Amino acid sequence: DIQMTQSPSSLSASVGDRVTITCRASQGISNYLAWFQQKPGKAPKSLIYAASSLQSGVPSKFSGSGSGTDFTLTISSLQPEDFATYYCQQYNSYPHTFGQGTKLEIK
Amino acid sequence: QVQLVQSGAEVKKPGASVKVSCKASGYTFTSYGISWVRQAPGQGLEWMGWISAYNGNTNYAQKLQGRVTMTTDTSTSTAYMELRSLRSDDTAVYYCARVRVFNQVALWFDYWGQGTLVTVSS
Repeated sequence: DIQMTQSPSSLSASVGDRVTITCRASQGISNYLAWFQQKPGKAPKSLIYAASSLQSGVPSKFSGSGSGTDFTLTISSLQPEDFATYYCQQYNSYPHTFGQGTKLEIK
Repeated sequence: QVQLVQSGAEVKKPGASVKVSCKASGYTFTSYGISWVRQAPGQGLEWMGWISAYNGNTNYAQKLQGRVTMTTDTSTSTAYMELRSLRSDDTAVYYCARVRVFNQVALWFDYWGQGTLVTVSS
């Protein structure tokens, strides 16, 4: 199985900040990577697919990049509604494994 | 608009089975797949497998092989996930998600169901 490792596991930031979350795959996955946002008690929300393509309706403050084994999710100008847990997932090969999550908290 | 509506919460005893449904609307059901993901309390997301709504092909996580079955009913645009021989560590919220498919290979998720809490307790 491909292991997905996110860093950091938690992150404190302020409203208006720009933050970057990293996701590393244990082997190359081309650009077969997705990002999700989850708020407490809610279903995940799809943000990005193919490493850098925004899902419909997702604001452009979210951006993704990377290919191969190293990927990033960047969120610009943080707003209160952006504080949540973020997950990456590879869909290059089965099982489609998730990272362990990054909890973004308000400083 | 695309919607995935899941069945309600379940409480089961160890050794029992549970069947969770996911009713799709707002799109052509057979043009996509359905994946199932679970989340134990306070834990991360775990991919369970997926099913093609076009031809019923499935792929399951190795750790669940033999205990899980995913099916679809195209007449009602509903996907089902059955998990058997339940254990306490199967207690989780179970989510369905619509998955894009290309050449019968599952790709990315776009829409998610609201989740179904399954509690396994004696």
